Amino acid sequence: NAGVTQTPKFRILKIGQSMTLQCTQDMNHNYMYWYRQDPGMGLKLIYYSVGAGITDKGEVPNGYNVSRSTTEDFPLRLELAAPSQTSVYFCASSRSQRGYTFGSGTRLTVV
Amino acid sequence: SQELEQSPQSLIVQEGKNLTINCTSSKTLYGLYWYKQKYGEGLIFLMMLQKGGEEKSHEKITAKLDEKKQQSSLHITASQPSHAGIYLCGAEETSYDKVIFGPGTSLSVIP
Repeated sequence: NAGVTQTPKFRILKIGQSMTLQCTQDMNHNYMYWYRQDPGMGLKLIYYSVGAGITDKGEVPNGYNVSRSTTEDFPLRLELAAPSQTSVYFCASSRSQRGYTFGSGTRLTVV
Repeated sequence: SQELEQSPQSLIVQEGKNLTINCTSSKTLYGLYWYKQKYGEGLIFLMMLQKGGEEKSHEKITAKLDEKKQQSSLHITASQPSHAGIYLCGAEETSYDKVIFGPGTSLSVIP
């Protein structure tokens, strides 16, 4: 079982560049989430989705965009990368808003 | 918005010793989650607590929920090097809502 798959695992971006972090789940979960993890700060919710076509902002949405065109995919877009977006990004999914399954993360450095 | 605090921030114990990690919420606790994160990896679900006074165990890890104190504790008995990692608590902002996370507790176990 693949579960939640995130790509890439590592990425270095220059300031002002853009990129998309990919997240795919094969469990037919309706709910999907993007978190960022900074040292000593735990996980902060960026965006979440309760189903295809529906997204909503979390705690720290500024500088990011998401879309949910299918149940399986929930990509996170960074349009103008800034050093403050250096972090580890985790995608998660759940069937009923309880019991999240997390991906293995994407480590992003903006220089 | 709800905030979660965890104590201690970090912990170093000798193998075989018992330890406790606490998670305190600024608001009423609904679903309370404990996750473990090995360094550089994703989050692994440990257990979820829902009701006041509830206690759950998995192998040598026990978690309790004190609804009145808005607090949960995670207790590890006879710690082993395999217990090392970051322990994060998460709580639903309202019942069956998205989860916010505490800052995490870093645990090292010395053989």
